[in-house]
Amino acid sequence: GENVEQHPSTLSVQEGDSAVIKCTYSDSASNYFPWYKQELGKRPQLIIDIRSNVGEKKDQRIAVTLNKTAKHFSLHITETQPEDSAVYFCAASMSNDMRFGAGTRLTVKP
Amino acid sequence: GAVVSQHPSWVICKSGTSVKIECRSLDFQATTMFWYRQFPKQSLMLMATSNEGSKATYEQGVEKDKFLINHASLTLSTLTVTSAHPEDSSFYICSASGQGFNLYGYTFGSGTRLTVV
Repeated sequence: GENVEQHPSTLSVQEGDSAVIKCTYSDSASNYFPWYKQELGKRPQLIIDIRSNVGEKKDQRIAVTLNKTAKHFSLHITETQPEDSAVYFCAASMSNDMRFGAGTRLTVKP
Repeated sequence: GAVVSQHPSWVICKSGTSVKIECRSLDFQATTMFWYRQFPKQSLMLMATSNEGSKATYEQGVEKDKFLINHASLTLSTLTVTSAHPEDSSFYICSASGQGFNLYGYTFGSGTRLTVV
């Protein structure tokens, strides 16, 4: 089955700096890669996603890149703000089977 | 659109009792529902996948007789934790996938925090 690895497990940045979270996946058949933000005790919220036919997608301060050959994808957050502090999960999906990475706890220091 | 309602949001039960958690898709037909468990500071671990009208498929290591999943309709799935023990205390969250709005889209319920005392 699919195996998703996510790094780093914790990330601390200064407000205004950029944050990058990286994930790798094992199943080359995976074709949908969402990123979720989860605040303490709340449900994961989809923040951006990318499909396998696209190499990069951007939404304001958030961008995701995908390298299908290397089977890795990354989340980039620019101009970080304290409210970006949360746990971020990557996931890889094929059809109706989605697997999550272990999560990255991002802390943005004011 | 694509709202999933999960109840209860939190529950405390005595060891040995059973707890039922409901997950409803409010504005779409959830052909597939997924149940996850999340321990503190850990990732979402898939417990089982259920398709409407058929038996759930459980992940390795998840006891199907302990975690009963029913997906009797396109809008409702339930997870029953039977004979709960303190080690079952966790955050349980469902997600639903349906056709028509996003082929691979997942919508999460709000989660249920279970504490077994």
